[in-house]
Amino acid sequence: NAGVTQTPKFQVLKTGQSMTLQCAQDMNHNSMYWYRQDPGMGLRLIYYSASEGTTDKGEVPNGYNVSRLNKREFSLRLESAAPSQTSVYFCASSDASDEQFFGPGTRLTVL
Amino acid sequence: AQSVTQLDSHVSVSEGTPVLLRCNYSSSYSPSLFWYVQHPNKGLQLLLKYTSAATLVKGINGFEAEFKKSETSFHLTKPSAHMSDAAEYFCVVTQDGDTGRRALTFGSGTRLQVQP
Repeated sequence: NAGVTQTPKFQVLKTGQSMTLQCAQDMNHNSMYWYRQDPGMGLRLIYYSASEGTTDKGEVPNGYNVSRLNKREFSLRLESAAPSQTSVYFCASSDASDEQFFGPGTRLTVL
Repeated sequence: AQSVTQLDSHVSVSEGTPVLLRCNYSSSYSPSLFWYVQHPNKGLQLLLKYTSAATLVKGINGFEAEFKKSETSFHLTKPSAHMSDAAEYFCVVTQDGDTGRRALTFGSGTRLQVQP
């Protein structure tokens, strides 16, 4: 089992460009999450999906959109990237016990 | 609303000495509490979790944490630090929100440095 995988690992964008971060899990989990991690701030929830076909805003959703394509995949889209979105992005999935399993992260720089 | 405070942003210990990473939380409901570890340039890995069973929780790699409701604390300890313990540690609280979904709140993290 690969667990949670994320692509790409690194990305550099110019202000105004768009991109999609991909996430997939092979653990048959219902819930999936997108977080961003900034120095000194821990992880902050961007969006959450409790099950296929449902999504919910987290703490910092502005500037992002998500798609829960199927049970395995949960993508995060930046329509018009801004320097404030420079961060490390983590995808996670969880089972009924709330234990979350994290992907390796995507390091995004917006110039 | 729930919140998590990690009282130290940085802790430095010598190899072989005890580790104490402090976490206080506030929560309106009965929370579940977790500690996660993040090694440099890696994702987060679960160390241990408390879900209203035993108040002393044992995790991986010799770590343990004690849930103290009266003090609203969930401090992480290890009797003897190892060089491989150097990492960032996050305390996390989760509880049912108003909409029925589980809300998760991360602390800001404590960076543990282990000196030889």
